[in-house]
Order: sequence, then structure tokens, then C-alpha cells
Amino acid sequence: QVQLVQSGAEVKKPGASVKVSCKASGYIFTSYAMHWVRQAPGQRLEWMGWIDAGNGNTKYAQKFQGRVTITRDTSASTVYMELSSLRSEDTAVYYCARANNWKPRYLDYWGQGTLVTVSS
Amino acid sequence: QSVLTQPPSASGTPGQRVTISCSGSTSNIGSNGVNWYQQLPGTAPKLLIYTNNQRPSGVPDRFSGSKSGTSASLAISGLQSEDEADYYCAPWDDSLNGPIFGGGTKLTVL
Repeated sequence: QVQLVQSGAEVKKPGASVKVSCKASGYIFTSYAMHWVRQAPGQRLEWMGWIDAGNGNTKYAQKFQGRVTITRDTSASTVYMELSSLRSEDTAVYYCARANNWKPRYLDYWGQGTLVTVSS
Repeated sequence: QSVLTQPPSASGTPGQRVTISCSGSTSNIGSNGVNWYQQLPGTAPKLLIYTNNQRPSGVPDRFSGSKSGTSASLAISGLQSEDEADYYCAPWDDSLNGPIFGGGTKLTVL
């Protein structure tokens, strides 16, 4: 069965970077895309970007352009999301979610979420 | 950036039918299928409906979706206490080149 297992909670200081991992299993890793979505406390879900796990192509939401980097390690079936220049507003639960590389696109499996807390 | 509008809350009694609306624009709902996600308290979102009205394996047929123009709706019939959750509509947005999420609707089963 498809599983996405994320790394554990992180506490970071403002200005630092955080790197969250998402290990996939139960399907052909390179045949799908992986998206990252975050949810600040009490807020809506917010899409950050995605990576084509096959060719490594990425697309980022304009809001995060320049601060977010999504990469993958095909040998480990793992996707990484790094967010830099952290500020308090980045405190949120970060989710990875699998999707097709083609339309219609939908996020069919989600990781359990990783809480990132930014605090001085 | 386009905005998707959902009512912040909805409620019903066990056995009732409730609907949740989602209003968007031509760049998202108007030109792409609508997906719905259910988020139970303290858990990750789960795909509930994809491409307007398709249910993934394991989702009860009490859940149904529809779309017309730039609006969509989720219907839940035979409401059960375990349906109490947040529900998000999320079509693909062509201008974003990614999914866009509505504000979420908190469903309370009275």
C-alpha cells in the first residue's frame, strides 16, 4: 500500500532553514509527482510547490519562490522540502502529498505531517 | 491570485443531508475538475472526491460531488457523527499551476 512517511517535528530560530523529508513506498516513485502543502494554525491549506519525481522538474508557488527548494533522491524514494529565511509566520504543519504528473491532478495520498515551529 | 470561497461552517443532525458549496473562477473550477478533501481533527487531509464526482476506493457513496460553471458542491447524505471534520475544495488552478484550496468548511454533527 502507498505510504508517505515524513520526518519529525522541528524547532527553528527566525532566519534559519528547515529541511523536511518524505519517504515514499508502495508504488513506483518516479512515476508520480510530489507536492508540498502547509497549514498554519487555524488556517487553510496552502500549496507550496511540487516536483516531478521522474525528471526532477519543479514548480513553486510565487509566494515561496526564492525561499523554497524541493529535491528528490530516487535511490531512497525520498523527497525533500527546504524552506529558508524562516519567520514566525512559517510556523505550520507541512505535508507532502502524491499526485499524477498529468491531468486530472489530485493529491491522492498524504504524509502524516511535520510540525515546524519558528520561535526565538 | 484566485480565491476559492466556502462557507466557514455547516451543521446537521444524524441522518440528514448537508451540502457544502465552493465558488471559484474560470482559471480553477471553470477549467479543471474539483477535488474535495476531508480533514478529521488532528490528522492529515484525505482525498474524498476527485474530478468533480469520483470517489476513491473506500469512500462511502454517502459522499457525492458536483460542478456547474465556476461553482461546485459536496453533498453528504445519511450524516454520521464520524463525518464531523473540515472539508476543503481544491481544484487545479491554471494561473497558479498548482492546486488552490478553499478556506475550508467545518462540519458539525449536532
